[in-house]
Amino acid sequence: GAGVSQSPRYKVAKRGQDVALRCDPISGHVSLFWYQQALGQGPEFLTYFQNEAQLDKSGLPSDRFFAERPEGSVSTLKIQRTQQEDSAVYLCASSQTSRGNTEAFFGQGTRLTVV
Amino acid sequence: AQRVTQPEKLLSVFKGAPVELKCNYSYSGSPELFWYVQYSRQRLQLLLRHISRESIKGFTADLNKGETSFHLKKPFAQEEDSAMYYCALRGSSGGGADGLTFGKGTHLIIQP
Repeated sequence: GAGVSQSPRYKVAKRGQDVALRCDPISGHVSLFWYQQALGQGPEFLTYFQNEAQLDKSGLPSDRFFAERPEGSVSTLKIQRTQQEDSAVYLCASSQTSRGNTEAFFGQGTRLTVV
Repeated sequence: AQRVTQPEKLLSVFKGAPVELKCNYSYSGSPELFWYVQYSRQRLQLLLRHISRESIKGFTADLNKGETSFHLKKPFAQEEDSAMYYCALRGSSGGGADGLTFGKGTHLIIQP
């Protein structure tokens, strides 16, 4: 595909359940970002990968959140023991390089609802 | 810490009228500023960035370092401009070295 692909598009989880959200970035893109967007808010940075290296995870809200990109391509965001406050749209973005005048391309997001 | 403020949650204007979406930022260094747009049922996409100094779809935005603002303007609004608009900043501290800090967004509605 030509764009960033995220799956699933929608996920309903019972409180306490573990979830895994997948992101397929644009082929060849070095940088990959995860954002969390709560209802009525702008996206908030969670974590950043440059190839397979997780260079910044300062935005992860708790140790229940874990992200990986083992081969420098597909990334997975895992949330353990989900809580209601985890309900949000999770956005993935990728860009060709890590700096400079490079555009970040966003996926359509995964809407997580914790009940 | 860096912060982006969009004071208007909702802005409604008539077709053909001028549009200005306000954005103010707080950042101690030299920021890169962006405007992103999300049309109904579509993904977030880049509209323009200050470093390019370009006009996209009739929109322009000028970085004013003295007022720490990056307002988005269009002289004549069109119905297809109706969307959510997010101002974003990329700096070197907070939000990840290369991650973006977004404002809360302004919902622009163009009335016929």
